[in-house]
Amino acid sequence: RKEVEQDPGPFNVPEGATVAFNCTYSNSASQSFFWYRQDCRKEPKLLMSVYSSGNEDGRFTAQLNRASQYISLLIRDSKLSDSATYLCVVTYNTDKLIFGTGTRLQVFP
Amino acid sequence: EPEVTQTPSHQVTQMGQEVILRCVPISNHLYFYWYRQILGQKVEFLVSFYNNEISEKSEIFDDQFSVERPDGSNFTLKIRSTKLEDSAMYFCASSVMGGNIQYFGAGTRLSVL
Repeated sequence: RKEVEQDPGPFNVPEGATVAFNCTYSNSASQSFFWYRQDCRKEPKLLMSVYSSGNEDGRFTAQLNRASQYISLLIRDSKLSDSATYLCVVTYNTDKLIFGTGTRLQVFP
Repeated sequence: EPEVTQTPSHQVTQMGQEVILRCVPISNHLYFYWYRQILGQKVEFLVSFYNNEISEKSEIFDDQFSVERPDGSNFTLKIRSTKLEDSAMYFCASSVMGGNIQYFGAGTRLSVL
């Protein structure tokens, strides 16, 4: 089983739509959780950390379910500039980042 | 805004040659990392480095790879004898402390011919 699994997509949505991405992780001892964004041929950039209580940053909402080993990202009111690959990332007992393969989002006008 | 810088942006080399990829981490950061991403695949951890020594390395980071902090600003990744399968994007990252957010450089695209 992969350490971090994501639906590769692509998700094609119109501007203004709400879209949700899911991610599962295999190690129940995972400690930290993040969503990174990666544009084509660019570096990963931190979008947001994910906390047990769930957290929101503008149009973005992240949730963590430790019991199910599941992380989600919700994007409301999608913009063309949201088009990118969204990477689910976890750490275990070190600061090594473990990446999922990413979910590609394409927002169209 | 401070950033991690990497040079060169693209390196082309012949199989069997040595390459050195360079990184300048953010100035007050103490933890340094190398990751790689083969085209179309996920980002993979290679090595972490703190206090002038390797803290952790992955199975990918074999004897052909080494890292060094030759001075107070640079952090380098050396591949002694490149293979075709070393072709990838190599990202350097740094963080203030272990467990803190890691900031990535723009990457070096290594093409081994």
